[in-house]
Amino acid sequence: QSALTQPASVSGSPGQSISISCTGTSSDVGSYNLVSWYQHHPGKAPKLMIYEGSKRPSGVSNRFSGSKSGNTASLTISGLQAEDEADYYCCSYAGSTTYVFGTGTKVTVL
Amino acid sequence: QLQLQESGPGLVKPSETLSLTCTVSSGSISSSSYYWGWIRQPPGKGLEWIGTIYYSGYTYYNPSLKSRVTMSVDTSKNQFSLKLSSVTAADTAVYYCARLQNAVVAFDYWGQGTLVTVSS
Repeated sequence: QSALTQPASVSGSPGQSISISCTGTSSDVGSYNLVSWYQHHPGKAPKLMIYEGSKRPSGVSNRFSGSKSGNTASLTISGLQAEDEADYYCCSYAGSTTYVFGTGTKVTVL
Repeated sequence: QLQLQESGPGLVKPSETLSLTCTVSSGSISSSSYYWGWIRQPPGKGLEWIGTIYYSGYTYYNPSLKSRVTMSVDTSKNQFSLKLSSVTAADTAVYYCARLQNAVVAFDYWGQGTLVTVSS
């Protein structure tokens, strides 16, 4: 069970859109539409931003959206804001009631 | 608003057993709609799923940690616990407890995390 691969860092200017990829295998991301995304400000509890690949929990801004193609899931943040600066992690169901997280991406707002 | 709070020693000696408890408040741990999990983050690294437990006691562990992990649940206290044996410096991490919602297969509530350092 290897960690899902994410870019170490992504940056953008306020108002721009950025995307974060999350690459797994046919045993996890590719087999299930069960990818979730978490926003993590250091020192705080991670926050669920996307579940089932593309669905937003109540209260999460519609600037956050998710998608999947093959073994790669993506999180897109549109209209980037200073408050979006954080670490982002994907997580996929990997079968047999196991889960695997991504390596994490640091988002910087320039 | 559901709250989860981790508790336990912040310092554990190498080869000993790390023990943490997660107390759930403003919600029942005995709901059939949820599992309860432990996730950790070593310094400067990403999140790692450790394991998940159902209120009935059924457990699921990360294969890479399975030989050293034991999770349990105490429904009378609305708590669940983690034991990690034979720890080394590589087990130094912030440990989070979280709720996994069955219907959407996502961790929707998290504790603030507790730092456990393995050192003599």
